[in-house]
Amino acid sequence: QKEVEQNSGPLSVPEGAIASLNCTYSDRGSQSFFWYRQYSGKSPELIMSIYSNGDKEDGRFTAQLNKASQYVSLLIRDSQPSDSATYLCAVRNAGNNRKLIWGLGTSLAVNP
Amino acid sequence: DTAVSQTPKYLVTQMGNDKSIKCEQNLGHDTMYWYKQDSKKFLKIMFSYNNKELIINETVPNRFSPKSPDKAHLNLHINSLELGDSAVYFCASSLAAGELFFGEGSRLTVL
Repeated sequence: QKEVEQNSGPLSVPEGAIASLNCTYSDRGSQSFFWYRQYSGKSPELIMSIYSNGDKEDGRFTAQLNKASQYVSLLIRDSQPSDSATYLCAVRNAGNNRKLIWGLGTSLAVNP
Repeated sequence: DTAVSQTPKYLVTQMGNDKSIKCEQNLGHDTMYWYKQDSKKFLKIMFSYNNKELIINETVPNRFSPKSPDKAHLNLHINSLELGDSAVYFCASSLAAGELFFGEGSRLTVL
């Protein structure tokens, strides 16, 4: 079983819609959760970090964490073509304090 | 003003050669990392240093040798390059176990 799983996509949404990206993880002791965006040929860029259950909003982005169900999601409201990228979920567990476990990423395409 | 900078951005070299990649961060972070991203786009941790001390050393061939002269710098030296070493190598830094910030990447092509 993979430690951090994401649907590879591509996830295709029309411009202006809500894009929903999901990530599940296997280590119940995980403490920190991150979403990164990576454009083709560029480096990963941090979008959001979340540490406690519930929702965290930043502009058009909302991260949702449910530790009981071991999933973290990212919602992008009013999706724009510039949001088209690969979204990487990363999870840090309690045992390896500086080692992030990465998902393979979900490719998002926002169509004008 | 670049927070995490890597040099060079591109390397093209022959099999068997040795090459180095340098990384510097000006964020005041205490932890630095080397990641490898291959053609399948998976980000694989290679090494991590905290205040010049090696804290993560994944299963990496010993042809790869990191060196951290101080907490703002982390270099990667690769001996006897092989075709399979072709990838993008990312340097990153963080403050303790916080968020990672990545450099722009160094694309290595081994011919």
